[in-house]
Amino acid sequence: EAAVTQSPRNKVAVTGGKVTLSCNQTNNHNNMYWYRQDTGHGLRLIHYSYGAGSTEKGDIPDGYKASRPSQENFSLILELATPSQTSVYFCASGETGEYFGPGTRLLVL
Amino acid sequence: GDSVTQKEGLVTLTEGLPVMLNCTYQTIYSNAFLFWYVHYLNESPRLLLKSSTDNKRTEHQGFHATLHKSSSSFHLQKSSAQLSDSALYYCALSDRYYNQGKLIFGQGTKLSIKP
Repeated sequence: EAAVTQSPRNKVAVTGGKVTLSCNQTNNHNNMYWYRQDTGHGLRLIHYSYGAGSTEKGDIPDGYKASRPSQENFSLILELATPSQTSVYFCASGETGEYFGPGTRLLVL
Repeated sequence: GDSVTQKEGLVTLTEGLPVMLNCTYQTIYSNAFLFWYVHYLNESPRLLLKSSTDNKRTEHQGFHATLHKSSSSFHLQKSSAQLSDSALYYCALSDRYYNQGKLIFGQGTKLSIKP
């Protein structure tokens, strides 16, 4: 079973602050994804990556940056967090993102 | 652009009754892959089943779905609901060759099974 881990699992941030969400996978998958999950919207793709050094914009990239420094790690960065970014964030890896991490609950006050 | 529609936001059923969750999609590409994910509370979403073959039934863990390209549908079914089936279910689409692995999710259907 592919292992995808996320840190932190819970985060409280202040408006205007910088937030970094980290994701690690140990199955050598090329593709990694960041989603946010909100009631009424389902899972929406923020950024994704095809391998180390690559990042691609998903459907809702505004306000987010991504970084893929290695095959295993994929970070989501909120440079200036806003309350509208309060959500649950999931990382996934695999050919089409079949393997999801446990999620990070982010609250921006 | 590509899209997935799950019309029912909430489906409430009594245990033992059949389950059918609707999923329709739009894509201009013929090589569509369709997926169902299940998301139990406090767990990670996980792949339930997937298909790219027209008119072929795909089964997993008691659930089944058949991709019908003529009607652009991929409905999820189960013959008899169990309490443990209560979860959020997502239908998703990928055109593997064009989108290179990018999934497009529907809004999700919450399935609630009552005793």
